[in-house]
Amino acid sequence: GAVVSQHPSWVICKSGTSVKIECRSLDFQATTMFWYRQFPKQSLMLMATSNEGSKATYEQGVEKDKFLINHASLTLSTLTVTSAHPEDSSFYICSARSGLISYEQYFGPGTRLTVT
Amino acid sequence: LAKTTQPISMDSYEGQEVNITCSHNNIATNDYITWYQQFPSQGPRFIIQGYKTKVTNEVASLFIPADRKSSTLSLPRVSLSDTAVYYCLVGDATGGFKTIFGAGTRLFVKA
Repeated sequence: GAVVSQHPSWVICKSGTSVKIECRSLDFQATTMFWYRQFPKQSLMLMATSNEGSKATYEQGVEKDKFLINHASLTLSTLTVTSAHPEDSSFYICSARSGLISYEQYFGPGTRLTVT
Repeated sequence: LAKTTQPISMDSYEGQEVNITCSHNNIATNDYITWYQQFPSQGPRFIIQGYKTKVTNEVASLFIPADRKSSTLSLPRVSLSDTAVYYCLVGDATGGFKTIFGAGTRLFVKA
């Protein structure tokens, strides 16, 4: 099946710094990518939807200036957490969908972010 | 987007068949039903997807009644490694199929 990778798998950063997380579709072209955040023992929360070449659509309550999403190519989307704070510590998961496979969505392995 | 309701948790023993039911009363005509499995600190993994009646693959079966207001994921002969959270999602590809996760069902398989 289709493979989605994320890098890094985990990252620790100091409060106030910015962190970039990459999401790549390795063997298919992803017309749409999604970013989720998951706190311990909770479900995934959709943060934003990004389509290649256009601005991301953020869910209500998600600060677009804090969580910068770029979907510059059909195989790469990035999430930058700007001026990170301890409350941003979470598990960030991306997923990708190809227009050719309408309903299947492939998830990355996730990135554990810890802000100290 | 149709809201889904699942049991919060379920317990089972190795070798048993497990059925997890999801309620989606407001499912729309264009909506498909998809189930995912998630292990701790991993991304969700696609299990099965269906629109109506019954779908079966190598890992599970999905039963959808005629009114489509619910669906049941059936896992045959579970093992300890099937301990995970299972999510039922309902969405429409024509609307971009924005995937909204519900609370999911935590399945514990005991020896």
